[in-house]
Amino acid sequence: DAGITQSPRHKVTETGTPVTLRCHQTENHRYMYWYRQDPGHGLRLIHYSYGVKDTDKGEVSDGYSVSRSKTEDFLLTLESATSSQTSVYFCAISESHPVVAYEQYFGPGTRLTVT
Amino acid sequence: GQQLNQSPQSMFIQEGEDVSMNCTSSSIFNTWLWYKQDPGEGPVLLIALYKAGELTSNGRLTAQFGITRKDSFLNISASIPSDVGIYFCAGLFSGGGADGLTFGKGTHLIIQP
Repeated sequence: DAGITQSPRHKVTETGTPVTLRCHQTENHRYMYWYRQDPGHGLRLIHYSYGVKDTDKGEVSDGYSVSRSKTEDFLLTLESATSSQTSVYFCAISESHPVVAYEQYFGPGTRLTVT
Repeated sequence: GQQLNQSPQSMFIQEGEDVSMNCTSSSIFNTWLWYKQDPGEGPVLLIALYKAGELTSNGRLTAQFGITRKDSFLNISASIPSDVGIYFCAGLFSGGGADGLTFGKGTHLIIQP
């Protein structure tokens, strides 16, 4: 298994509160990603990072921000959580390599419920 | 944005049967990946395909990158109970570096003993 951990694994929060999810990797991979998974939508990219302090938006970035101050950590923040952000969030990583950069490996997920 | 159509949505099969599923895209990809996800866990990479026409196997699994670069197929031979789960295709068209994958909505495989 790729060395990826996510914390917390489960969280219940109230509408309007800030929430930060953490992804930690021990593989020293360059690229990191945040996805959300919802019934009927599959997995959708929120943000990704191509190096320390280098991030870019994905398909569903509204309402989310990210930060990467160290290679091993990628944080996803919901500034003011809404019920539509109830979802399972997955972190993924991939290497810096001309070919296998496209092979992404996923963490165990964080189940977030916004009440 | 790019869209992937994955079919079938679900499959009910008998143990020992072969399984086939596919994904089609509205645009071309230069990478196809197949993942399996078990309940409560993250997707696990099964097979990666990088060239049109490529056929790659991983044990009882075989996947193909379609010639048109708009489709991919996954076959599972002689299914066993642990094959149960959701299978996702994912595609990527990238000019360099790494970008987010576009995922199909999954094929839910259910095996009856």
